[in-house]
Amino acid sequence: GESVGLHLPTLSVQEGDNSIINCAYSNSASDYFIWYKQESGKGPQFIIDIRSNMDKRQGQRVTVLLNKTVKHLSLQIAATQPGDSAVYFCAERASWAGATNKLIFGTGTLLAVQP
Amino acid sequence: DAGVTQSPTHLIKTRGQQVTLRCSPKSGHDTVSWYQQALGQGPQFIFQYYEEEERQRGNFPDRFSGHQFPNYSSELNVNALLLGDSALYLCASSEDRGRSDTQYFGPGTRLTVL
Repeated sequence: GESVGLHLPTLSVQEGDNSIINCAYSNSASDYFIWYKQESGKGPQFIIDIRSNMDKRQGQRVTVLLNKTVKHLSLQIAATQPGDSAVYFCAERASWAGATNKLIFGTGTLLAVQP
Repeated sequence: DAGVTQSPTHLIKTRGQQVTLRCSPKSGHDTVSWYQQALGQGPQFIFQYYEEEERQRGNFPDRFSGHQFPNYSSELNVNALLLGDSALYLCASSEDRGRSDTQYFGPGTRLTVL
């Protein structure tokens, strides 16, 4: 779905299925990207990161893909579990002049895992 | 090893008041960044402190100010509070090594302005 006002894009998946969350980033000069998971009432939790000299990085049950040509990031979660239900944010690090380590966050996607 | 801690957890203030929020970084981290997160939105960068100085600032008015102490902990101060300042305020810490570091977030302080 599309974001309208305060409504986050939502991805609804069945438990055990794979999830793919997409993100478009804003600046071709960004050199570092991070995915965060945020549960209700908590701060963002680091999931996985990738540098701009890579196009894929794998972690435990998660994979991040980076397509610099179209400024697109994706987060793949294998065998999605109910505990994966949360809002997922991508963030890019602004590395252009004077932008020292500032993170720019995307809108966020709500992942809802159905048992 | 304690992660990033913030205090208080929740705070209620009225318009025009001033507020101070506190953050202790993760052990070994020397850089603290503050973000504001409105309901249903992603965090927005306020400013970053390193070596007790503001190193970079986002698009926030001068009512927002901060400080970093020699032990790397930090405070965020907001003066003349507005209703629109109601948000979750997040602190993130990192270790400054050539700007190549992951920022780890605390649980946040929920500020409500009435």
